[in-house]
Amino acid sequence: DIQMTQSPSFVSASLGDRVTLTCRASQDIKRWLAWYQHKPGKAPKLLIYGASNLQSGVPSRFSGSGSGTDFSLTIDSLQPEDFATYYCQQTNTFPRALTFGGGTKVEIK
Amino acid sequence: QQQLQESGPGLVKPSETLSLTCTVSGASISSRTFYWAWIRQPPGKALEWIGSIWYNGDTYYKPSLKSRVDMVVDTSNNQFSLRLYSVSAADSALYYCARQPLVGDYFDDWGQGALVTVSS
Repeated sequence: DIQMTQSPSFVSASLGDRVTLTCRASQDIKRWLAWYQHKPGKAPKLLIYGASNLQSGVPSRFSGSGSGTDFSLTIDSLQPEDFATYYCQQTNTFPRALTFGGGTKVEIK
Repeated sequence: QQQLQESGPGLVKPSETLSLTCTVSGASISSRTFYWAWIRQPPGKALEWIGSIWYNGDTYYKPSLKSRVDMVVDTSNNQFSLRLYSVSAADSALYYCARQPLVGDYFDDWGQGALVTVSS
């Protein structure tokens, strides 16, 4: 399986901060990467697919970048509703085994 | 508006079979443009993809779970199901069903999740 490593595992940030989360793949996955936001008691929410494509309805303060093995999710001007855990997921179809990273929890400073 | 809803027993005994069903409303599970997937999250741990199924029954599973997993689709009831055999405490988790576009293999719509505990 392709391994996905997220860093840091925990981020403490303030409202209005710009936050960048990183995700590294154990092998080249081109741009086959998605990002999700997950809050306790809620279903995970797709934010970004194809490394940088914003899912419909997701605020433009979220952006994704990267290719190959290194990717990032940036949240501009952190809002109260953004405090959550964020997961990356590789969507590379060969070999066809989908894997998530370990998550980064964004908490209020 | 499309919705996915998981259902099934919340408590399963060790060595027995975990069975969950996902009912899809507001969209057809027979759509050729989507897979339908199961994903779980053990307490305090990360999300873990279990497997995916297409409308015609084609499946692919996480390699480490493949020997214990079976997924089936019921197009007449717009449902798909998960069976996980020989469960242990390590299989206790919040189980989600989700929609997976054929192109992209990400998960763009999710159910609310069903908590399953494995305990005697």
